[in-house]
Amino acid sequence: EPEVTQTPSHQVTQMGQEVILRCVPISNHLYFYWYRQILGQKVEFLVSFYNNEISEKSEIFDDQFSVERPDGSNFTLKIRSTKLEDSAMYFCASSSDGRAGANVLTFGAGSRLTVL
Amino acid sequence: GQNIDQPTEMTATEGAIVQINCTYQTSGFNGLFWYQQHAGEAPTFLSYNVLDGLEEKGRFSSFLSRSKGYSYLLLKELQMKDSASYLCAVKTDSWGKLQFGAGTQVVVTP
Repeated sequence: EPEVTQTPSHQVTQMGQEVILRCVPISNHLYFYWYRQILGQKVEFLVSFYNNEISEKSEIFDDQFSVERPDGSNFTLKIRSTKLEDSAMYFCASSSDGRAGANVLTFGAGSRLTVL
Repeated sequence: GQNIDQPTEMTATEGAIVQINCTYQTSGFNGLFWYQQHAGEAPTFLSYNVLDGLEEKGRFSSFLSRSKGYSYLLLKELQMKDSASYLCAVKTDSWGKLQFGAGTQVVVTP
């Protein structure tokens, strides 16, 4: 079964450092998302991406965050200057049709970010 | 604001049935999803409802009442592997953005 692949599975960084989380969405999917889940809390939407641009972003997704699709397969989330409160599990997801009703998001296994 | 409520935890015995309720108040509604999440893993899709009524899929069924802002996920013939967190999520607009509830931890005991 096709899957969404994320790297690294776990990253530890110092506060203020830049971090790039990488994702390879399912190959025929056109819509890409980042969500995060702080330990013990709910899954929160960060950003959606379609046709090489952001289609929607949440209040969490401030100027410290950016996304990019540098080639035909990768989708990255960059955090420019990490803060302690950025420590969370970051999930990448993709779907074949963002606008369709039963738009099922397939999630990757997550990248756990720990900011010290 | 957006509000999606579900119980924090439920415990049931292997072979039994458990019903997980979800109530929602959101600014838009384009469907309701249930996902299963094992500890430290990704959410995996279980079911989708956009019209009122019951959707059945093997041991799992999901029900929706849009007028009441209410859904439930029914898990039948519980197995130990069903111990997980069950997430109710509402698609609030025409894109793929989902608003998640906090999740219901289901503990299946022998």
